[in-house]
Amino acid sequence: QKEVEQNSGPLSVPEGAIASLNCTYSDRGSQSFFWYRQYSGKSPELIMSIYSNGDKEDGRFTAQLNKASQYVSLLIRDSQPSDSATYLCAVNWDNAGNMLTFGGGTRLMVKP
Amino acid sequence: KAGVTQTPRYLIKTRGQQVTLSCSPISGHRSVSWYQQTPGQGLQFLFEYFSETQRNKGNFPGRFSGRQFSNSRSEMNVSTLELGDSALYLCASSPGDGSQPQHFGDGTRLSIL
Repeated sequence: QKEVEQNSGPLSVPEGAIASLNCTYSDRGSQSFFWYRQYSGKSPELIMSIYSNGDKEDGRFTAQLNKASQYVSLLIRDSQPSDSATYLCAVNWDNAGNMLTFGGGTRLMVKP
Repeated sequence: KAGVTQTPRYLIKTRGQQVTLSCSPISGHRSVSWYQQTPGQGLQFLFEYFSETQRNKGNFPGRFSGRQFSNSRSEMNVSTLELGDSALYLCASSPGDGSQPQHFGDGTRLSIL
């Protein structure tokens, strides 16, 4: 059974701080990794995709991938109250198709 | 560019009925995947269609089925509805293979009475 694990939170950070969200996965051969943000009552919105080891930055967001440790993380710099949402980590075990396995999500709360 | 469009947004059905949900992908996207989201089980993959063929299937009973048309629009059907089928059903589209991100529609919220 291939699994994706996230701490459910809530993770509470003050406004302006760095929020660090973590995700582990069970299959070392996994190919593609995605972070989605989901506001309450809304659908998931793609934030970042990452495919190779290392860091990938996009604005205030940085995704980090370590395939040897089977670990992917998302850093949010200068956190804003509008970043308060559930962050979902998703893994595509192979790129033959589009079958994502999601973690349970981490609820982030950014306090003004 | 228009996003993924799902209809209807809300549905109320009773046990034993069947339901059909519709999804129009982003223009040019050939892959459509369906997911079920519930508070208890989270987001779970149902199936994926690519070029009118089911390419991947999740671990759901045969009551859940789907199809894709030549214009890449997809439908999902659930027969003999059960109370546990109450969920948010999400459709996601992508250009093709799994290396490209999927983009989600707003979902259909299905409530079973």
